[in-house]
Amino acid sequence: DQQVKQNSPSLSVQEGRISILNCDYTNSMFDYFLWYKKYPAEGPTFLISISSIKDKNEDGRFTVFLNKSAKHLSLHIVPSQPGDSAVYFCAASAMEGSQGNLIFGKGTKLSVKP
Amino acid sequence: DGGITQSPKYLFRKEGQNVTLSCEQNLNHDAMYWYRQDPGQGLRLIYYSQIVNDFQKGDIAEGYSVSREKKESFPLTVTSAQKNPTAFYLCASSITYGGSSYEQYFGPGTRLTVT
Repeated sequence: DQQVKQNSPSLSVQEGRISILNCDYTNSMFDYFLWYKKYPAEGPTFLISISSIKDKNEDGRFTVFLNKSAKHLSLHIVPSQPGDSAVYFCAASAMEGSQGNLIFGKGTKLSVKP
Repeated sequence: DGGITQSPKYLFRKEGQNVTLSCEQNLNHDAMYWYRQDPGQGLRLIYYSQIVNDFQKGDIAEGYSVSREKKESFPLTVTSAQKNPTAFYLCASSITYGGSSYEQYFGPGTRLTVT
């Protein structure tokens, strides 16, 4: 049973517009969430994280929103650029007792068109 | 330049042979991890290690073995018992504070093809 779900396998957005990538989780023990970006044949690159004590974290063009009651988080990229085209993975962990092990979603492939 | 290195980038083996994938980090991270990625799948945890000379099985450890003799190194052996070894293998590391780990940083990956 998937504990972290990214229900959209792909997303296509026009350059300059907003990209919104969604992620749902089922385990209420998760208290730390991360987004990674991955290009083909490369390792994932850490983008941004959020602790469950917050509902928003912003870093430049990237903002992550967390809705704990809905067990939902989203990554907003504004404005989207062609270089943002990649697969985005959502990951979650329960910091207490989990030794930091991350549970990953299956990823969403973002295509930003010029 | 700090980072995680994995070698080689591409590896080809015949079925029935064991193969060892290298992972080295100079970030002074305590924790290290091995993941496997298959097409259309997320990253699945094979093994992890929080400290030298100690490691634990992840979700899909069958057919794999690891060692952690040095803080910087966490090699993964794919044995002949692994039924579907062809995959993209990723190594990661992270700092730990008070027993909890934080963001994991990944190496470039090794593409293993077994025929």
